[in-house]
Amino acid sequence: GQQLNQSPQSMFIQEGEDVSMNCTSSSIFNTWLWYKQDPGEGPVLLIALYKAGELTSNGRLTAQFGITRKDSFLNISASIPSDVGIYFCAGLESGNTPLVFGKGTRLSVIA
Amino acid sequence: ETGVTQTPRHLVMGMTNKKSLKCEQHLGHNAMYWYKQSAKKPLELMFVYNFKEQTENNSVPSRFSPECPNSSHLFLHLHTLQPEDSALYLCASSPTGKEQFFGPGTRLTVL
Repeated sequence: GQQLNQSPQSMFIQEGEDVSMNCTSSSIFNTWLWYKQDPGEGPVLLIALYKAGELTSNGRLTAQFGITRKDSFLNISASIPSDVGIYFCAGLESGNTPLVFGKGTRLSVIA
Repeated sequence: ETGVTQTPRHLVMGMTNKKSLKCEQHLGHNAMYWYKQSAKKPLELMFVYNFKEQTENNSVPSRFSPECPNSSHLFLHLHTLQPEDSALYLCASSPTGKEQFFGPGTRLTVL
């Protein structure tokens, strides 16, 4: 089935640094979602994107829907320790297809 | 987001046991989902219900049996599971079929 390539797989950064991660697909998506999962919890929706080129922010987080509609990016500015967790991208090809998830980017923040 | 609840949060069962996982949402969403999350793998969609009707069954073994008595409740009945079925089972709901909101999950261990 459809798979998303999410990178990097893991990141170790210093507190205060900016973070970038991305997700690519082999087919066109009409919705991109970004989630964060803390240990022992379910994923929490961070940002939803619905149009090519769309740039949306949620506090220190900014996500973009790539203009080719085959990729999406998530940036975190001025990271803090509570940003630690696994970030997942998810994409939807159409309203009748299931949501497809990436394998996640594990973020560690060193104080 | 505390709109989707799951019980129990942890479950240990033997291969001959029968147990059920419960999911509840009071967000007014009409779509509900069961996912399996195993280490190092993307989230795997198991079942989808729209307006209480099952619309997707992603080749899930018959030892997993879903039930959706109304649009607020979703169950996953388990019987004669295998150790490889040990995973985090996540329930999600959606108002539109696009954004999905997850519960905290049930950590299942099959001995």
